[in-house]
Amino acid sequence: GEDVEQSLFLSVREGDSSVINCTYTDSSSTYLYWYKQEPGAGLQLLTYIFSNMDMKQDQRLTVLLNKKDKHLSLRIADTQTGDSAIYFCAETPDRGSTLGRLYFGRGTQLTVWP
Amino acid sequence: DGGITQSPKYLFRKEGQNVTLSCEQNLNHDAMYWYRQDPGQGLRLIYYSQIVNDFQKGDIAEGYSVSREKKESFPLTVTSAQKNPTAFYLCASSKQAGVVETQYFGPGTRLLVL
Repeated sequence: GEDVEQSLFLSVREGDSSVINCTYTDSSSTYLYWYKQEPGAGLQLLTYIFSNMDMKQDQRLTVLLNKKDKHLSLRIADTQTGDSAIYFCAETPDRGSTLGRLYFGRGTQLTVWP
Repeated sequence: DGGITQSPKYLFRKEGQNVTLSCEQNLNHDAMYWYRQDPGQGLRLIYYSQIVNDFQKGDIAEGYSVSREKKESFPLTVTSAQKNPTAFYLCASSKQAGVVETQYFGPGTRLLVL
């Protein structure tokens, strides 16, 4: 099956940058996503990147994709306490009947200290 | 406001009881999905539907059933055959099936066993 791996915890101080890392195994991945989940809530789409890109920036968020190493990262600049949440990496392969399905990592709990 | 609604927010199940979780979307999306989330785990796909009157099993369909009689509705029934139903259940939808489309999530239903 598809494997998406993330470290489980990250702690940073308010104002610092956060970098959340993700690795995946499926070389046919087309889109890679970052979702944010606040306590007791559903998932909110933060950003996504197409597999033919290596970087995407959206305000405080920067996504880097190293397709050769199958490594995805999410950098949050000037991290705020409101950024404390679980961040999920997800990928969708470009293969037959699995097209459109999402495969998720276990999520990284980001804690921001004031 | 377009979006996905799930009800109830909390649901309690007695032993041997079937319970049904509601998911409704007014985004005019063709595809809908049900995921289960356990603490410290990623999301696992239970069932998905690419179009009205059609649905497929995901990775953990045993003990669950679904129907898709209307485009906007995709209810999930947790049957008595599901021996460990306590989890957070998330519904999602995407514009089309069979292509790579972003999935949008509802706020979730937490199911607890009495």
